[in-house]
Amino acid sequence: KNEVEQSPQNLTAQEGEFITINCSYSVGISALHWLQQHPGGGIVSLFMLSSGKKKHGRLIATINIQEKHSSLHITASHPRDSAVYICAVTGNQFYFGTGTSLTVIP
Amino acid sequence: ETGVTQSPTHLIKTRGQQVTLRCSSQSGHNTVSWYQQALGQGPQFIFQYYREEENGRGNFPPRFSGLQFPNYSSELNVNALELDDSALYLCASSLRVSGGTTSTDTQYFGPGTRLTVL
Repeated sequence: KNEVEQSPQNLTAQEGEFITINCSYSVGISALHWLQQHPGGGIVSLFMLSSGKKKHGRLIATINIQEKHSSLHITASHPRDSAVYICAVTGNQFYFGTGTSLTVIP
Repeated sequence: ETGVTQSPTHLIKTRGQQVTLRCSSQSGHNTVSWYQQALGQGPQFIFQYYREEENGRGNFPPRFSGLQFPNYSSELNVNALELDDSALYLCASSLRVSGGTTSTDTQYFGPGTRLTVL
């Protein structure tokens, strides 16, 4: 069993749709990270959070420590949002989810 | 653009060979972490170096070793390559302040080195 589970694995949306990606984890953590990986491998750190909610542009990340659950929301999705979104947690080491592949269709 | 660079970008080796991958951290960063990402999988933590000392290790055998240099650049060495070592290898640098922990680090990822073992 993976320490970090993401859903859905794949997601296709129409431009403008509101998107939610979910992450559940089973280990004790100090922080949770949302990462964006584009084709070719480059990874960008979107958020690091340990409680509550963070917002950056059209991206919103929330975490519920009691439920060991986090969500990444994208409002007014755009084709340039197409990427793999990875949830990772830091406990005694880094644990990564397998990613959610998002395709936004114009 | 994260300021973290890796070399080479692509590499092909044969089983049993040894490989060295390099990472140049973002200026001022004192911590580097290495990850292995197999195709279709999330990254797996290999190890982390903080101020030239190994500071944590994932579930990887000893033939995976690393170095961090005084200028905080880093190497990942893999001996006796196996076919399953074929993957994208990512490094990420961060700045750990005195008294900080992994949880306080924002990671800046390099573009990765894609290793193919034949």
